[in-house]
Formats: sequence, structure tokens, C-alpha cells
Amino acid sequence: KAGVTQTPRYLIKTRGQQVTLSCSPISGHRSVSWYQQTPGQGLQFLFEYFSETQRNKGNFPGRFSGRQFSNSRSEMNVSTLELGDSALYLCASSLDVKVTEAFFGQGTRLTVV
Amino acid sequence: SQKIEQNSEALNIQEGKTATLTCNYTNYSPAYLQWYRQDPGRGPVFLLLIRENEKEKRKERLKVTFDTTLKQSLFHITASQPADSATYLCALHSMEYGNKLVFGAGTILRVKS
Repeated sequence: KAGVTQTPRYLIKTRGQQVTLSCSPISGHRSVSWYQQTPGQGLQFLFEYFSETQRNKGNFPGRFSGRQFSNSRSEMNVSTLELGDSALYLCASSLDVKVTEAFFGQGTRLTVV
Repeated sequence: SQKIEQNSEALNIQEGKTATLTCNYTNYSPAYLQWYRQDPGRGPVFLLLIRENEKEKRKERLKVTFDTTLKQSLFHITASQPADSATYLCALHSMEYGNKLVFGAGTILRVKS
């Protein structure tokens, strides 16, 4: 079956703009988590959604937000982009919240200039 | 504060040898510990999951141990091959911290032929 699909793969934005990233989980998976990966900080947890509800949130400013749709697809939004937001954004899907094996997408490489 | 520590320096080994990677954690009581492999520019790929009541788990050439007293997991790759060269991430799943998956910074493994 198809894996986790993230779009777009690459994105270049200007400071102050906003961006929306999309994630389609594996069919049948209801839990979606988002992570930010930078060389200095590693993989940092952003948020987790299950059945359209945010279950957990990491220590990121309110400029980072997300949502999940009824078909389990998820989007994350970053407003008022800063240079420091340049990173690889990874989405991971899991069957449900009790099974913790996570399947990651290829990521979206965001560059803020 | 909570910490997950992996060898920050790259591990260089000769083909055919056993690679051993370390993951230490503090101020967590994980229910599960997982290991992932990540290649440059790609999302992490799940390798093994071990539960707190399990001492050891094996999958083909991979072996993971989990010592909750030492707060340490060891990840072994036997008969290593150049294709095993990648970054290996340790991640733990702790109910007390919102049931999210928390990652270490990863260890780069280089297997030379």
C-alpha cells in the first residue's frame, strides 16, 4: 500500500510569509504527527492529531498550527515565517495512538530567505 | 530536565564487524523504545520497537537491548555492510509526557569496505 505522502517536497518562502504543508497518511492510519528537523536540534515534536483532534503539542510558538481532516489527511501551517523556520518538516502516521510504530513521509524541505 | 543522548560522534567500523550504538535517557520512564534509520534527505524508517518489560529484541542482523535500570538501550548491527551506513535514531514513548514519541539526535554510522 502507498506510504505517507507529503507535499510539496521543497519550498522556498520569504520572511513574513505563511506556508501550508500537507500530509496524507497511510490508508487506515488515524494518527498523524508532525516533526521539525534541523541539524542543530534534531527531530523536534510539533503536534499529534487523532480523529481530527489535537492530542499533543510540542514547545513551538503559536505561529505553528495544524489540523486533521475527516479522511485523516493533515495540514500544518506556519505564519509569519522566520529564517529559523528553515528545516525539514516530517509527517508520521500510525495506525492509532496505542500502536507507536511510526511511518514517516519523505518530508518537506522549507527554506526561508 | 529530560534528555535522550546518543553518541554525537560518528561511528566508523569495518565491514563485517558488529556496530553497537548507545542510547541513554534521563528523567523518562518510557513504555517503549524504538530505533529508526534515516538516510540523508529522507524520512526516518522504523527498525525495531522494544517494550519496557522486554530485555532484548532481534530482527535479522539487528538486536536491541533495553535496560530500564541503567536507562539505556543498545542497538547492534551484526555483520555490518556499507549499505548499513546511515544515521540511527533512538526514540522513546513516554506516557508521562503526553504519550508522544521523543527522539534522540541520532548517531551517524559509517561502514567501510
